Amino acid sequence: DVKVTQSSRYLVKRTGEKVFLECVQDMDHENMFWYRQDPGLGLRLIYFSYDVKMKEKGDIPEGYSVSREKKERFSLILESASTNQTSMYLCASSLLGGANPEAFFGQGTRLTVV
Amino acid sequence: AQSVTQLGSHVSVSEGALVLLRCNYSSSVPPYLFWYVQYPNQGLQLLLKYTSAATLVKGINGFEAEFKKSETSFHLTKPSAHMSDAAEYFCAVSVMDSSYKLIFGSGTRLLVRP
Repeated sequence: DVKVTQSSRYLVKRTGEKVFLECVQDMDHENMFWYRQDPGLGLRLIYFSYDVKMKEKGDIPEGYSVSREKKERFSLILESASTNQTSMYLCASSLLGGANPEAFFGQGTRLTVV
Repeated sequence: AQSVTQLGSHVSVSEGALVLLRCNYSSSVPPYLFWYVQYPNQGLQLLLKYTSAATLVKGINGFEAEFKKSETSFHLTKPSAHMSDAAEYFCAVSVMDSSYKLIFGSGTRLLVRP
């Protein structure tokens, strides 16, 4: 089975802290994604990466950065956490197209910024 | 750029009734389309996918969806709702010309009345 693992299920951080959310996948997928999920807004794409060291902005990249130094790992960085970044963060991975292009998701990290 | 619109943030049906969740997409090139389900406090699970093969796609738990290019739609249906179908459902689209960026709709919460 494909496994996407997020490093933490719950995190509480203080305003202004630098926050790292880690995601690892074990299926050699090219694509990796970071989303935030908020009630009524669905999943909004923050960043995605289709290859090592490559990154593309999603719909809401402001206040975030990412790092992909290895194919299996994709990190989301909140440079200076703010209370409006309190949310559920979901990581996903997928192949680049083909017959099985669906994304597989981690269990999510619920981040609270106080 | 691709986008997804899900009509109705909440849909309520009686147990045994037809389930119809609506999804319309926007894409300038042939898309991949997906439906995901999220049960409370769980991650996203793939229900079904369209990858340009058959236009009527069958998924898990008795759900199916039909790709209609002329209507740019990919509505999700199930003939008879079960209480266990109560969950949030997300439609998503990805296309080759944007590195398979995966974009989600805002979600529809399905309520099943006894």
